Amino acid sequence: GQQLNQSPQSMFIQEGEDVSMNCTSSSIFNTWLWYKQDPGEGPVLLIALYKAGELTSNGRLTAQFGITRKDSFLNISASIPSDVGIYFCAGRSSNTGKLIFGQGTTLQVKP
Amino acid sequence: DAGVTQSPTHLIKTRGQQVTLRCSPKSGHDTVSWYQQALGQGPQFIFQYYEEEERQRGNFPDRFSGHQFPNYSSELNVNALLLGDSALYLCASSLFLQPNYGYTFGSGTRLTVV
Repeated sequence: GQQLNQSPQSMFIQEGEDVSMNCTSSSIFNTWLWYKQDPGEGPVLLIALYKAGELTSNGRLTAQFGITRKDSFLNISASIPSDVGIYFCAGRSSNTGKLIFGQGTTLQVKP
Repeated sequence: DAGVTQSPTHLIKTRGQQVTLRCSPKSGHDTVSWYQQALGQGPQFIFQYYEEEERQRGNFPDRFSGHQFPNYSSELNVNALLLGDSALYLCASSLFLQPNYGYTFGSGTRLTVV
């Protein structure tokens, strides 16, 4: 099935470090979403982006909607152990309720 | 305010059998979408239901079918199960006319086909 290209696939960092991950697509999206999924749970929405060039923050998280509408990135500042999990990007085109997901970035934080 | 609830949480079925998964949307939501998440992958869109009709479908065979009830809850049915159908099945609810209000996911049903 169709998926976005998300990188890196995994990261192992020290507590307090900043993290950056990104997502690219060959298609244009009107909405970019970033989710976090913990083991045994469904994805939980972190940040939603609706406009090209938009930069949005949610606490220590910052995400941007690329101006080409084909990419997005997520930054996490000053990582803490509870940031551990799998982060997914997802895109949505207009006139569709279908979300296209990336393959996920697994984040591990060493205390 | 209950979020999206899915049942059962875990299920083991034999190849060739049929299975039904259930989803109750978040209060106030009228649309249910189903996703399949294989191990180590992102969720893949199966289909979306609104007003008791299938509105959009992903690249899944006809063995995958669904239903939405008047109270907005939904079922996902899979016939003639294959080993490759083993996955986490996620339900997401939303508002059909306000998709930018977000999609809320349930915790999923873990289906194992043996």
